[in-house]
Amino acid sequence: EVVLTQSPATLSLSPGERATLSCRASQSVSSYLAWYQQKPGQGPRLLIYDASNRATGIPARFSGSGSGTDFTLTISSLEPEDFAVYYCQQRNDWYTFGQGTKLQI
Amino acid sequence: QVTLKESGPALVKPTQTLTLTCIFSGFSLNTRGMRLSWIRQPPGKALEWLARIDWDGHKFYSTSLKSRLTISKDTAKNQVVLTVTNMDPVDTATYYCARSLTISGDYFDYWGQGTLVTVSS
Repeated sequence: EVVLTQSPATLSLSPGERATLSCRASQSVSSYLAWYQQKPGQGPRLLIYDASNRATGIPARFSGSGSGTDFTLTISSLEPEDFAVYYCQQRNDWYTFGQGTKLQI
Repeated sequence: QVTLKESGPALVKPTQTLTLTCIFSGFSLNTRGMRLSWIRQPPGKALEWLARIDWDGHKFYSTSLKSRLTISKDTAKNQVVLTVTNMDPVDTATYYCARSLTISGDYFDYWGQGTLVTVSS
């Protein structure tokens, strides 16, 4: 099973700042990695797929990079609605998710 | 507009069988490449993929839970059902159904709001 490790567990920033979230895979997942945003009481929302492609309707301030085992989600300038929990997910070997990064004000 | 909604009992007793239903709209599970999965999230913990059913009827299960899971579909009713046998308190979680498409990378592009299931005597 591919284990995804996200860091940091919690990230405290202010609106307007840049956020950088990391996801490391226990083995290569090529570029088969996605990022999701989850807010309380809601299902996750797909942000990025295939490591660097924005999903439909996702603002340009969200970007993804990486391949193999190391991936990054960057939010260039935080908006108030961006404070949430973020998960990475791989589909190279079935499906596994990271444990999440909580982005808080 | 694509929507998915999960339903099922909020409380089950240990050893009982859980039956969850996902009712969806805005797409057909008959469409080539369409897939529907069940994913769960214990309180405060990470997401865990459980099972998937494809447009062609193929079914796939989490290795660790395979012996306890059954997924099925009723295409005419736009429903997918998951049963989980021998429920245990560690199965307490919010259960989600989510769609994916082979042509767009097989990522979960639409999710339901989830249904919380508590296992307790």
